Amino acid sequence: DIQMTQSPSSLSASVGDRVTITCRASQGIGNHLAWFQQKPGKAPKSLIYAASSLQSGVPSQFSGSGSGTDFTLTISSLQPEDFATYYCQHYNEYPLTFGGGTKVEIK
Amino acid sequence: EVQLVESGGGLVQPGGSLRLSCAASGFTFSDHYMDWVRQAPGKGLEWVARTRNRARSYTTEYAASVKGRFTISRDDSRNSLYLQMNSLKTEDTAVYFCARGSHYGDGYHTMDVWGQGTTVTVSS
Repeated sequence: DIQMTQSPSSLSASVGDRVTITCRASQGIGNHLAWFQQKPGKAPKSLIYAASSLQSGVPSQFSGSGSGTDFTLTISSLQPEDFATYYCQHYNEYPLTFGGGTKVEIK
Repeated sequence: EVQLVESGGGLVQPGGSLRLSCAASGFTFSDHYMDWVRQAPGKGLEWVARTRNRARSYTTEYAASVKGRFTISRDDSRNSLYLQMNSLKTEDTAVYFCARGSHYGDGYHTMDVWGQGTTVTVSS
């Protein structure tokens, strides 16, 4: 199985900060990498697919990059509604697996 | 509006069975792969199962942790997805989400729309 390792597991940041979350796959997955946002008690929301493509309706402060084994999610200017947990997921083969999550908290 | 609504969760004893349902609306259900994903209390997301669409003969995939105990199925005439869960264990306790699969031209499918989830508690 492909293991997805996210870092950091949590971070504290202020509104307006630039935030970067990394995700590493245990083997190459091309660009078959998605990012999801989840707020407490809510369903995950799809942000990015194919490593760098923004889902429709997702604000432009979110961006993704990477290919192969190393990927990043960047929030260019953190907004109050962006405080949440973020998960990466590969969909290159079965089983699909998620990273452990990165909780973004208010400093 | 694209919507997925899960139901069927509840409290069940270890070794018992439960059937989850997911009602889809606002899109052509039969075109899409569909997934179940779960989240144990305070934990991360775990993919459970996938059913492909009619074009791919409704073939299925499972996580090792549920293979042989859970069965994913769908009824395109009812726009509904199901998860039959047998031989339930305490570690199956989780919120179960259904999710729509989508691909973007290369045949590889992730999830783009999620339901609100239904809670399954396995306890004696």
